[in-house]
Amino acid sequence: NAGVTQTPKFQVLKTGQSMTLQCAQDMNHNSMYWYRQDPGMGLRLIYYSASEGTTDKGEVPNGYNVSRLNKREFSLRLESAAPSQTSVYFCASTRGATYEQYFGPGTRLTVT
Amino acid sequence: SQKIEQNSEALNIQEGKTATLTCNYTNYSPAYLQWYRQDPGRGPVFLLLIRENEKEKRKERLKVTFDTTLKQSLFHITASQPADSATYLCAPISGSARQLTFGSGTQLTVLP
Repeated sequence: NAGVTQTPKFQVLKTGQSMTLQCAQDMNHNSMYWYRQDPGMGLRLIYYSASEGTTDKGEVPNGYNVSRLNKREFSLRLESAAPSQTSVYFCASTRGATYEQYFGPGTRLTVT
Repeated sequence: SQKIEQNSEALNIQEGKTATLTCNYTNYSPAYLQWYRQDPGRGPVFLLLIRENEKEKRKERLKVTFDTTLKQSLFHITASQPADSATYLCAPISGSARQLTFGSGTQLTVLP
């Protein structure tokens, strides 16, 4: 039981490049989330998926797209990376109605 | 807009003492409040959840209180140990929300 896995762990992009961050969970959770974490800003929600086939915007969705590929996988895409998207990205999934979240190890992204 | 404040960015205490961390929120009425621990370079890990109708919750050396009148939660670690050193995040949750809003965290250092 691996929990929540994320790939890659580290990534460096040039401005304007695109990439997809992958996330998978093996806990049979319905809801999945993407956050970014910046120093002094805490965790901010980018997008979430309450169930397979649905996605909704969070607090900071601009510049990102998501795909809920199936119940296990939820990917985050940066179409044209900008230096402001330099951050640590966390994927999480939720068990039950009290929204206890299980987080992945994170992807550290640098855009130059 | 909803706002979460956690007391001071950093808290240093002596080993064996009780650490008390504060989480204040404004402009919403959460049905639950969660606390997470985050170690450097890792994703947050769920610790405790307290419901709005619970005044206090305990788990081993951890104790959480929830005062909906004051709009405040206190997180206590008794008999603190250097291994408790980490950043602690609070996340109030409204009953109908599918998304969490996290505080920016308090970095706790327990000195031997």
